Amino acid sequence: NAGVTQTPKFQVLKTGQSMTLQCAQDMNHEYMSWYRQDPGMGLRLIHYSVGAGITDQGEVPNGYNVSRSTTEDFPLRLLSAAPSQTSVYFCATGGGAFIRGYTFGSGTRLTVV
Amino acid sequence: GQQLNQSPQSMFIQEGEDVSMNCTSSSIFNTWLWYKQEPGEGPVLLIALYKAGELTSNGRLTAQFGITRKDSFLNISASIPSDVGIYFCAGRHSGGSNYKLTFGKGTLLTVNP
Repeated sequence: NAGVTQTPKFQVLKTGQSMTLQCAQDMNHEYMSWYRQDPGMGLRLIHYSVGAGITDQGEVPNGYNVSRSTTEDFPLRLLSAAPSQTSVYFCATGGGAFIRGYTFGSGTRLTVV
Repeated sequence: GQQLNQSPQSMFIQEGEDVSMNCTSSSIFNTWLWYKQEPGEGPVLLIALYKAGELTSNGRLTAQFGITRKDSFLNISASIPSDVGIYFCAGRHSGGSNYKLTFGKGTLLTVNP
């Protein structure tokens, strides 16, 4: 049982490039979300989804797109990377009554130069 | 949006010392969760609390759900080097959606052997 799988683990982009961060889960969780973590800022919610075909913006959505075509996958797209998007990105999922909160992936460390 | 004030922001302690950290909110929460994030990994759930006044232990860790429902505390006894990491509190607002958690900004714990 893999839980929440994020790929890649590390990525370096040049300003203006685009890329997709992948998140896959095998727990049949209806809720999936993306957070970014920056020093001193804690975890900030980018986008989230409560089920296939449903997405919504979080606290810091600008510069990011998401889609949810299946229960298992929730990719995060950077359309035109900027140095301000240098961060560690976490996918978090949850389901049922959410009594155990979220399950987090191991993160993607992104550097934009 | 909802905010959690987590303190202290960081702690540097000697091995064997006890540690205390807390989270406070201006509004009532019906669930409190404590996570630990080790370097290079995603946060992992340590303890979940569901009732005001509840005291729950997990090994050397003890957490309490404040009786006002606006705060929670985490204590670590007899710290060891592997306790190093960032500790996050998270809460579910009373009356809010099941899937919506609010996170504190974290307490960075460093343990000196």
